[in-house]
Amino acid sequence: EAGVAQSPRYKIIEKRQSVAFWCNPISGHATLYWYQQILGQGPKLLIQFQNNGVVDDSQLPKDRFSAERLKGVDSTLKIQPAKLEDSAVYLCASSLDSPGAYEQYFGPGTRLTVT
Amino acid sequence: GQNIDQPTEMTATEGAIVQINCTYQTSGFNGLFWYQQHAGEAPTFLSYNVLDGLEEKGRFSSFLSRSKGYSYLLLKELQMKDSASYLCALAPGSYIPTFGRGTSLIVHP
Repeated sequence: EAGVAQSPRYKIIEKRQSVAFWCNPISGHATLYWYQQILGQGPKLLIQFQNNGVVDDSQLPKDRFSAERLKGVDSTLKIQPAKLEDSAVYLCASSLDSPGAYEQYFGPGTRLTVT
Repeated sequence: GQNIDQPTEMTATEGAIVQINCTYQTSGFNGLFWYQQHAGEAPTFLSYNVLDGLEEKGRFSSFLSRSKGYSYLLLKELQMKDSASYLCALAPGSYIPTFGRGTSLIVHP
């Protein structure tokens, strides 16, 4: 089975520019997550979708970050405008929406460098 | 809130056994995860402990003691490919992990 796909793999932008990341979860996985992982730290959840609805976005900096999952499959995460502290790896993960489905499958991530 | 504490770095010899500890402070959680993350790669799931005790899965075992706020990941017969970061994470009210900083394990010949 194909894994979680993300693009681009790497992105370098200047501060105040905009950037968007794309994620395609594993087929049949209703739940999708975006994480931010700063170098030397564990991943931090930004937003969780169940189908096309937002379950948790309490840690998403909504003044500059936005995410959508319009058809309940692919998702995009946008940063506008970017700041230096946004430099991180952005990980997308997906999981089944069923009792006991605790395992999350992560994509390869997008490494963002803001200069 | 939650507080997860792990050693920053550990080293071990190929073929040996290593135990990576994780202590935590939390008001409650469903279970505790361990993930492995190789440099530049995404985390991969290793284990999820709900009940106290040891769960063994091949060369890797994970232990949980809720009363002591303590977990460990035990790696046996270490291989060079086990060099990675090992992330302890709590699932507070659902299955979503809240990650610690991770322990960087270096396996040398």
